[in-house]
Amino acid sequence: DGGITQSPKYLFRKEGQNVTLSCEQNLNHDAMYWYRQDPGQGLRLIYYSQIVNDFQKGDIAEGYSVSREKKESFPLTVTSAQKNPTAFYLCASSIRGDNYNEQFFGPGTRLTVL
Amino acid sequence: QQPVQSPQAVILREGEDAVINCSSSKALYSVHWYRQKHGEAPVFLMILLKGGEQKGHDKISASFNEKKQQSSLYLTASQLSYSGTYFCGTESSGGSNYKLTFGKGTLLTVNP
Repeated sequence: DGGITQSPKYLFRKEGQNVTLSCEQNLNHDAMYWYRQDPGQGLRLIYYSQIVNDFQKGDIAEGYSVSREKKESFPLTVTSAQKNPTAFYLCASSIRGDNYNEQFFGPGTRLTVL
Repeated sequence: QQPVQSPQAVILREGEDAVINCSSSKALYSVHWYRQKHGEAPVFLMILLKGGEQKGHDKISASFNEKKQQSSLYLTASQLSYSGTYFCGTESSGGSNYKLTFGKGTLLTVNP
C-alpha cells in the first residue's frame, strides 16, 4: 500500500538535544512538506521541498533543518536552537508542488522535550 | 499571514447544515480544505482554484470569491462522521514557489 510513514509516533527528548524525525513516502511524489501543529494554532509550515536536493524555508524554519537527498525521504531535525520544540509534527507530500494537487499527510510524530 | 476562519467552533445535531468561512488579506490563487479528526492526520476535502475550477469530493461543496478573497465550505445534512477540525489552506504567490498557509481551524461537533 502506498502512503506516508512517520516514525516514531511518540518521541521524548531531553532539552538541549537534537532530534531527527523520519518521513518516508512511497507515492512517488515530487513535493514534500513539514508542518508543526500546536493546540489552537492550525498547521504551520516549517520547510518544504518541491524536488530532490532542493528545499525552502517555510514560515517557522528557525531552529529546524532538513535534507532531501532521496525522493522518498524528507527527514526533519529539531535542533537545540528551537526554543519550544514540544509539538505535533506532520509530514505531507503531493504529486507536484503546485496548487492543483492535494497534500497527503502522514500520521504525525508527537515530540515532547523534557 | 494566516487566513482567518470563522466560526472557531460549531455544534450541530445530525442532519443540520453548517457553513465554514475562510478569509485572507492577500489575493488568492487557490484554497484547499482539509478535515482532521482528533489525533489523526488531516484528510483532503477540496481544492478551489482562481478561475472557478474545483477538485474534490462529490458530497462536499464550497465556494471561492476571488474578489473578496474568501472561501466557504458548505456541509449539508451533517452526519456524525463530519465531526472534526476543518482547516483551510491558502496559496497567495501564484508562482512556482508554491506553499499553503493554513488557518487555525474550525472545530465541528455533530451530535446525535
